[in-house]
Amino acid sequence: GEDVEQSLFLSVREGDSSVINCTYTDSSSTYLYWYKQEPGAGLQLLTYIFSNMDMKQDQRLTVLLNKKDKHLSLRIADTQTGDSAIYFCAARFAGNNRKLIWGLGTSLAVNP
Amino acid sequence: DGGITQSPKYLFRKEGQNVTLSCEQNLNHDAMYWYRQDPGQGLRLIYYSQIVNDFQKGDIAEGYSVSREKKESFPLTVTSAQKNPTAFYLCASKVIRSGANVLTFGAGSRLTVL
Repeated sequence: GEDVEQSLFLSVREGDSSVINCTYTDSSSTYLYWYKQEPGAGLQLLTYIFSNMDMKQDQRLTVLLNKKDKHLSLRIADTQTGDSAIYFCAARFAGNNRKLIWGLGTSLAVNP
Repeated sequence: DGGITQSPKYLFRKEGQNVTLSCEQNLNHDAMYWYRQDPGQGLRLIYYSQIVNDFQKGDIAEGYSVSREKKESFPLTVTSAQKNPTAFYLCASKVIRSGANVLTFGAGSRLTVL
């Protein structure tokens, strides 16, 4: 079935790069998304990538997609304390356009 | 500014009571969604609606009900039949068209059963 998996926790030092990883099971994915959730708040879209792309960069954020391994990553350069949040990976698969399949979220802790 | 407004932000309920969470959007989005979030379980879909006066069950619809009488509004009622309703509830919306179809989320409502 369709599934999206993420590691649950990541801790980095301020100024370092963070890499958050996500794997998915269905090769029919169309769009893959990264959302950020700060404590007690809703989710906000960070970026998304279409499945025919390998990479997308937006300021400090770089998304890499390895379709062969069904692996998606989000790299945050020069990580700041304000980046501390939960990061969700989500995938939209070709056979089910009405909803997203969500990962459980990766809690990023940035230490000064 | 366009967005999604959820109310109340915090809600306390006694066991056996029904409560209704409000979700209003002024984005002219077609589809609206309700998710439940529990620690360590990510987001689980409760109900969704793609058009006025129509809605579909998500993965965990039991004990919940919704209505979509207006395009802008998608209230969620947590009934007494929901066995463990304490959770963070998120409403979201999106346009329906080809492309990325990005979800926009409200700030959430936290329900606590006393």
